[in-house]
This record gives sequence, C-alpha cells and structure tokens, in this order.
Amino acid sequence: EVQLVQSEPEVKKRGESLKISCKGSGYSFPKFWIGWVRQMPGRGLEWMGIINPGDSDVRYSPSFQGQVTISADKPISTAYLQWTSLKASDTAIYYCARGPSGVLDSWFDTWGQGTLVTVSS
Amino acid sequence: EIELTQSPATLSVSPGERATLSCRASQSIYIYLAWYQQKPGQAPRLVISDASNRATGIPARFSGGGSGTDFTLTISGLEPEDFAVYYCQQRTNWPWTFGQGTKVEIK
Repeated sequence: EVQLVQSEPEVKKRGESLKISCKGSGYSFPKFWIGWVRQMPGRGLEWMGIINPGDSDVRYSPSFQGQVTISADKPISTAYLQWTSLKASDTAIYYCARGPSGVLDSWFDTWGQGTLVTVSS
Repeated sequence: EIELTQSPATLSVSPGERATLSCRASQSIYIYLAWYQQKPGQAPRLVISDASNRATGIPARFSGGGSGTDFTLTISGLEPEDFAVYYCQQRTNWPWTFGQGTKVEIK
C-alpha cells in the first residue's frame, strides 16, 4: 500500500527554525514527485513546491520561493519542508502528496495526513 | 498565475439530490483540471482527474466535465459521506493553483 506519513504537530516560537518530514512507503520513493501544500486555518489549499527525489529537481511557487526549502533524502524515503525563521503567518496545516513518476503529466493522488504547525509570538 | 474561480461558495443540498459545482479558469487549461474532496480534519482526496476521469475508488455518482475554461463536477444522488468541501486544481502552468473551494452542506 502506498503511504505518506508525516511528522507530528509542532508548536514553535516566532523566529525559530523548523523542519517537517514526509516518509513514503509501499513504492519506489526516488521515482515519484512529492509536493507540499499549505492550508492556513479555515482557508483553502495552496501549492508551495514540488521535488523529484530522484534528482532533487525542486520547483517553488513564487509565493513561497525564498521562504521555505524543500529537500529529500532518498535512502530513507523522506521529503522535508523547512523554515529558518518562522512567522506567525506560517501557522497552518502542511500536507505532502505523491505525484507522477518522471514527467509531470499526472496528478498528486496520495496524500499524507498533514502536519499542523503552530507559531506563537 | 492561472486563477480558478469556484461557484457557488456554499451549496445546500438534500441527501439523494444532485449537486453541480462549477470551476472557471482565467485562461484555457485544456483538460488539465482535477477535483479534490476534503472533509473536516482530513487530507484532500483526489476525485476527478483530467476533467472527467474518476480516480481509483470513486463512486460512479461523481462525474466531471468541461474543457478550456469552464468545468463542472456533478454528484448525482448525494450520500451522507459526500458532504464536504470540493476544490478544483489546474496543472497546466506552474505554479499550479486551486480554486477557493465549494462547501456542499446538508439542506
């Protein structure tokens, strides 16, 4: 069974750094794109960026470029989303999702359970 | 960036009735549109891909249509588990974008 399991909820202070994770299982992790989606409290969904774990090709949405870093560790089948200095506005649920293999010609059909990040001042 | 506008924001429907949701793109996205269902406290779930293809495990009462800039998601004979928020999403141009969502609630 294809699964994405995300790290536990986090409560951080403004200005702190954070790295959350998304571990894939049940498939060949390097072959499939992984994406990250933000959902702020009571709001809709926003694509943040995507990564090809096989070659670490990363694409960021302009809204998130420079604000976060997306990475992956192939040997442990895990993708990451990290911040160097959190803001209160980073409070949200962050989802990872698995996309197509190789060419970006299909959809992200398997999602993690989400990680709630709460940033207090 | 391609903007997706969903309507209505909220749709009140009785169980067993039909729900029709709309998604309009700011430019042609061909058929590169998907619909996701999200229930409270849960991750989004892919329902329809490439405008009209049901995802694995999605019941036949869900159907999608449209191309270019105008798309619809129809749920025929609403079941209790169908009441949720539905988002459309395009993958024609990066950054991919979602619509703002339509909440289907029990009337």
